[in-house]
Amino acid sequence: NAGVTQTPKFQVLKTGQSMTLQCAQDMNHEYMSWYRQDPGMGLRLIHYSVGAGITDQGEVPNGYNVSRSTTEDFPLRLLSAAPSQTSVYFCASSPRLLLETQYFGPGTRLLVL
Amino acid sequence: AQSVTQLDSHVSVSEGTPVLLRCNYSSSYSPSLFWYVQHPNKGLQLLLKYTSAATLVKGINGFEAEFKKSETSFHLTKPSAHMSDAAEYFCVVGGDSSYKLIFGSGTRLLVRP
Repeated sequence: NAGVTQTPKFQVLKTGQSMTLQCAQDMNHEYMSWYRQDPGMGLRLIHYSVGAGITDQGEVPNGYNVSRSTTEDFPLRLLSAAPSQTSVYFCASSPRLLLETQYFGPGTRLLVL
Repeated sequence: AQSVTQLDSHVSVSEGTPVLLRCNYSSSYSPSLFWYVQHPNKGLQLLLKYTSAATLVKGINGFEAEFKKSETSFHLTKPSAHMSDAAEYFCVVGGDSSYKLIFGSGTRLLVRP
């Protein structure tokens, strides 16, 4: 199993550009989530999904969209990038419930100029 | 509402000496608590979790944590630090009806030779 994979590893965007961060897992996990990590602030939940076709907002959803058309994939879309979205983004998954072990991807480092 | 506070942003210890990373939580529900570790430029990995079973929880790599309800604490300890323990550690609380994990701001552990 590859576990949780994220692409790209690093991306530079200009303000106003849009892009999609990809996340995939091959463990048949129902729960998937996106976090952003900023210095001194830990990880903050952006969006999460409890199964295909079901998504919900986390703490900091503004400026981001998600969809979950398959169990495996959970892409994160930045609609119009802003410098405040410069961060490291982590995708995570767990088998069923949130309170089981979260498996994290390696992260995507995003710089918005 | 739930919250988690990591009392130290940085902890420095000598190799072979004990490690103590402090975490306090607030929860109106019976909480589930986790410690995750993040090595430089890596994703997060679960160290251990408490889900209302034994109050002393043993994790990987010799770490353990004790759930103390009266003190609302879940401190992480290790008897003897190793150079490979140098990383950032996150205390995480979950378990309320919103099914969201709340991350602490992190403690960076430095291990001196």
